[in-house]
Amino acid sequence: DAGVIQSPRHEVTEMGQEVTLRCKPISGHDYLFWYRQTMMRGLELLIYFNNNVPIDDSGMPEDRFSAKMPNASFSTLKIQPSEPRDSAVYFCASSWTARGNTIYFGEGSWLTVV
Amino acid sequence: GENVEQHPSTLSVQEGDSAVIKCTYSDSASNYFPWYKQELGKRPQLIIDIRSNVGEKKDQRIAVTLNKTAKHFSLHITETQPEDSAVYFCAAGRSGSARQLTFGSGTQLTVLP
Repeated sequence: DAGVIQSPRHEVTEMGQEVTLRCKPISGHDYLFWYRQTMMRGLELLIYFNNNVPIDDSGMPEDRFSAKMPNASFSTLKIQPSEPRDSAVYFCASSWTARGNTIYFGEGSWLTVV
Repeated sequence: GENVEQHPSTLSVQEGDSAVIKCTYSDSASNYFPWYKQELGKRPQLIIDIRSNVGEKKDQRIAVTLNKTAKHFSLHITETQPEDSAVYFCAAGRSGSARQLTFGSGTQLTVLP
């Protein structure tokens, strides 16, 4: 299996621009997670889906952030408008109920907002 | 909700020595405790996990212990090697419908040659 696939791997954008991060979970996995990692705050869970349905979005920092999962093989995390404090590594991860809680991370999307 | 504290934040050891990283958790209902290793610029990867029905688990040079009464668990790495240098994260969570994990703040382990 190719693992969790994220794109873009790196993005530099100007403040105020819209940013869309994409994720393809491992085939067959029924949970999908979006995490944000910064030096100051560590690994933070932003939102997670079960069978394409958002379950808990309490970690989404504010209304500028939104996430969708239109089908089992694709999810997006959108930031509009972006701000410099959004600069971070955004990880998508997935897991499979039948295999317990093991979470598999993608390679991450490195976002820099200037 | 769950709160996970991890210590130390940085740890330097000589090659061949052992390293121990400790975590405490707050939610007595947590029953799954994984450890992830993150090399510089890479993704976190699971290295070992333990469930609440056992007190210790080993995999070659790494082992994890769990004390449910005290709500703490630890990662032990023996015979450390330079390639063990990385950031290590502990996490705690529950089985069932709420599949989110709460991560510790990470430990930067440096193995000195």
